[in-house]
Amino acid sequence: QQQVKQSPQSLIVQKGGISIINCAYENTAFDYFPWYQQFPGKGPALLIAIRPDVSEKKEGRFTISFNKSAKQFSLHIMDSQPGDSATYFCAASSSYNAGNMLTFGGGTRLMVKP
Amino acid sequence: GAGVSQSPRYKVTKRGQDVTLRCDPISSHATLYWYQQALGQGPEFLTYFNYEAQPDKSGLPSDRFSAERPEGSISTLTIQRTEQRDSAMYRCASSFGRGRGELFFGEGSRLTVL
Repeated sequence: QQQVKQSPQSLIVQKGGISIINCAYENTAFDYFPWYQQFPGKGPALLIAIRPDVSEKKEGRFTISFNKSAKQFSLHIMDSQPGDSATYFCAASSSYNAGNMLTFGGGTRLMVKP
Repeated sequence: GAGVSQSPRYKVTKRGQDVTLRCDPISSHATLYWYQQALGQGPEFLTYFNYEAQPDKSGLPSDRFSAERPEGSISTLTIQRTEQRDSAMYRCASSFGRGRGELFFGEGSRLTVL
């Protein structure tokens, strides 16, 4: 059962453009939503995260938008740069689960063209 | 150590052989997770440790999979009688605690079962 669905699977954006990646979740107990960035040959690394008490969080060029009623959240990358080319994973976890393990989406492969 | 270290980085084995993968987490981190990542997919939870305790094994696909962390630091993941469907990237991650802190991932162990 895929509890976190991510789209699109791949995305090509011109340098300076906006990259948008969407995720939807099913488990209403999820209360922490991070995004991880993964470069080839490396492990995923935390990019930005949000909790459901806010609808938006911005860190530099990266913004998470969160819609609790729709059970959706998205990552926006403003002024996309070739160095942003990577695979992005959304994830979710629940504080009701003692391990707080993350459930990941399937990933989005982003390519930013110069 | 400075980061999460996994070994071997690549392992090719024949069907039916046993394989052991090793993870050396960040030294101050109490919690350690194992994930399985198929090609083109997001990581899927296998199991986790809080120090040497293993509270959740629910993600282990079968009883052929087992994990240990006997002294609360280095962990091993063993797959007995490997099958071709076990071929995947196995990722270890550690975090300071079970709260919603950042997970630090290793570079993974790529297992290929022929």
